[in-house]
Amino acid sequence: SQKIEQNSEALNIQEGKTATLTCNYTNYSPAYLQWYRQDPGRGPVFLLLIRENEKEKRKERLKVTFDTTLKQSLFHITASQPADSATYLCAILSAGNNRKLIWGLGTSLAVNP
Amino acid sequence: EADIYQTPRYLVIGTGKKITLECSQTMGHDKMYWYQQDPGMELHLIHYSYGVNSTEKGDLSSESTVSRIRTEHFPLTLESARPSHTSQYLCASSDRGPVETQYFGPGTRLLVL
Repeated sequence: SQKIEQNSEALNIQEGKTATLTCNYTNYSPAYLQWYRQDPGRGPVFLLLIRENEKEKRKERLKVTFDTTLKQSLFHITASQPADSATYLCAILSAGNNRKLIWGLGTSLAVNP
Repeated sequence: EADIYQTPRYLVIGTGKKITLECSQTMGHDKMYWYQQDPGMELHLIHYSYGVNSTEKGDLSSESTVSRIRTEHFPLTLESARPSHTSQYLCASSDRGPVETQYFGPGTRLLVL
């Protein structure tokens, strides 16, 4: 079955630095990969989507890469701010007829002032 | 403004009570979902619906039930609440497109005493 792995350890970085989060997937080649942000006690919020034929996608300070050979996506936040502190989840659409989103556990990011 | 709503936001209730968690969306989305999530843990899909009169059980077995009589409304019911049902319940919706980007409500935090 399809599976997603994200850095299980929390990531702590200094304000202004670039945060890089990893999402690895197995047993499947998704056509799309999505990144969401989740704050404590809230539902995830969609951030970015990247298609399998796109190597890189940018939105303001966010950048996502998608390496279908490595089965990996990297999520970068440049010039990080304390307000970027949250858990970031990646998700892919499962294969088959009843397709559903498969979620990673998420990586907790803390940006220290 | 198109949005997704959940009520109540917080609920403390005694064992054995029947509860209904409400979820409504104004985006006209066909697909709706219920997830269960404990603090710091992954999202577990417990129910989903692809349209009116369509409901399916998710990956995590749940004693709850759902109904989809109207496109915009997807309530979740627990006939007899137990302490093991204590968790956060998140409702989401997505449109018919191939990508399935999901939009989440603010969640209901349930505590069963």
